[in-house]
Amino acid sequence: EPEVTQTPSHQVTQMGQEVILRCVPISNHLYFYWYRQILGQKVEFLVSFYNNEISEKSEIFDDQFSVERPDGSNFTLKIRSTKLEDSAMYFCASSVGNNEQFFGPGTRLTVL
Amino acid sequence: KQEVTQIPAALSVPEGENLVLNCSFTDSAIYNLQWFRQDPGKGLTSLLLIQSSQREQTSGRLNASLDKSSGRSTLYIAASQPGDSATYLCAVNDSYKLIFGSGTRLLVRP
Repeated sequence: EPEVTQTPSHQVTQMGQEVILRCVPISNHLYFYWYRQILGQKVEFLVSFYNNEISEKSEIFDDQFSVERPDGSNFTLKIRSTKLEDSAMYFCASSVGNNEQFFGPGTRLTVL
Repeated sequence: KQEVTQIPAALSVPEGENLVLNCSFTDSAIYNLQWFRQDPGKGLTSLLLIQSSQREQTSGRLNASLDKSSGRSTLYIAASQPGDSATYLCAVNDSYKLIFGSGTRLLVRP
């Protein structure tokens, strides 16, 4: 069964460093998303992406964040200068249309 | 602004019990609603999707209902098993983004 994959499973970085989180959505899906979950808190929407551009972004998704689909399979989230409060589990998801979203296993980001 | 609330926050039941998890949302203008399961430190597994035009969906021992006008959904789990122990999340689709509740943490005791 097709699934969303994410790498790495765990990333540890120093404050101020840039990180890139990678996702491979399900191959026939057209809509891609990033969510995050700070430990003990709700899952929060960050950004949606369709047709090579951002469809919608939340207040969390400020200038420090960017997304890209560099090729036909990968979807990336970049954080330019990480802060302690960026420590969270980051989930990638994909969907065919405005329908069921399928989530990856997540990347745990720890900022020291 | 859409708000999603889940009650109870935690639930502990003996194996074999039928149980109901509740989800409420403040804005009825939703496209669909998804129920997810999350195991500790893991990703989100989609359990059921209910379209805004539907009243319920069933998958095995799970049944989810939707009352859009009153802003409520329930997830019914029949004959609970220890393997059902996890956090159950409700999420409403607010135009290509999901708004999540805080979840119900379920423990099914053998």
